[in-house]
Amino acid sequence: SQKIEQNSEALNIQEGKTATLTCNYTNYSPAYLQWYRQDPGRGPVFLLLIRENEKEKRKERLKVTFDTTLKQSLFHITASQPADSATYLCALVEGDDKIIFGKGTRLHILP
Amino acid sequence: GAGVSQSPRYKVAKRGQDVALRCDPISGHVSLFWYQQALGQGPEFLTYFQNEAQLDKSGLPSDRFFAERPEGSVSTLKIQRTQQEDSAVYLCASSPTSGSYNEQFFGPGTRLTVL
Repeated sequence: SQKIEQNSEALNIQEGKTATLTCNYTNYSPAYLQWYRQDPGRGPVFLLLIRENEKEKRKERLKVTFDTTLKQSLFHITASQPADSATYLCALVEGDDKIIFGKGTRLHILP
Repeated sequence: GAGVSQSPRYKVAKRGQDVALRCDPISGHVSLFWYQQALGQGPEFLTYFQNEAQLDKSGLPSDRFFAERPEGSVSTLKIQRTQQEDSAVYLCASSPTSGSYNEQFFGPGTRLTVL
């Protein structure tokens, strides 16, 4: 069956360290993969998109990798700050119109 | 500029009632999506509009769910004869182009509680 798994429900990271979140998928062949941030009581906010032929994408303190052989994406936040605390959602884009989201990982940056 | 807005923000319905949830996308956005998000889960796709055309409604959980976007802008998600399992946050998102590979702009959601 098709599955998207994000590494853990919650992750605690010390301020200033790099946070690494994992997204694994099975039985999908996504053309794109997106990462979103969601704060409590709010809708998701788009962060980054990476295509299947791209290995890595960066935006400020964020870095995303996409390994179609391992069927895995890694999302890194460097020099993490308490304001980075949120739920991070991985999303696969397989067809023209459908995004499939993972359950998300709650990230806590500890001061 | 204004983002995606949804109303109401909160809705409490008695089991069996009909509800209508409204989404105002960003002006000029071609694509509009509806998602259902249960507590502790990621958003689940319900349906997709390109302008006024509903191109995919494969995620609608039953025939009690109906969505429309008659003029290609505002959209309404209607749930008839609500059940307790319909309790969730309903998210609307819009995108300036067709397809879902581009950035989607989400509204704040409507939290529906069915008693």
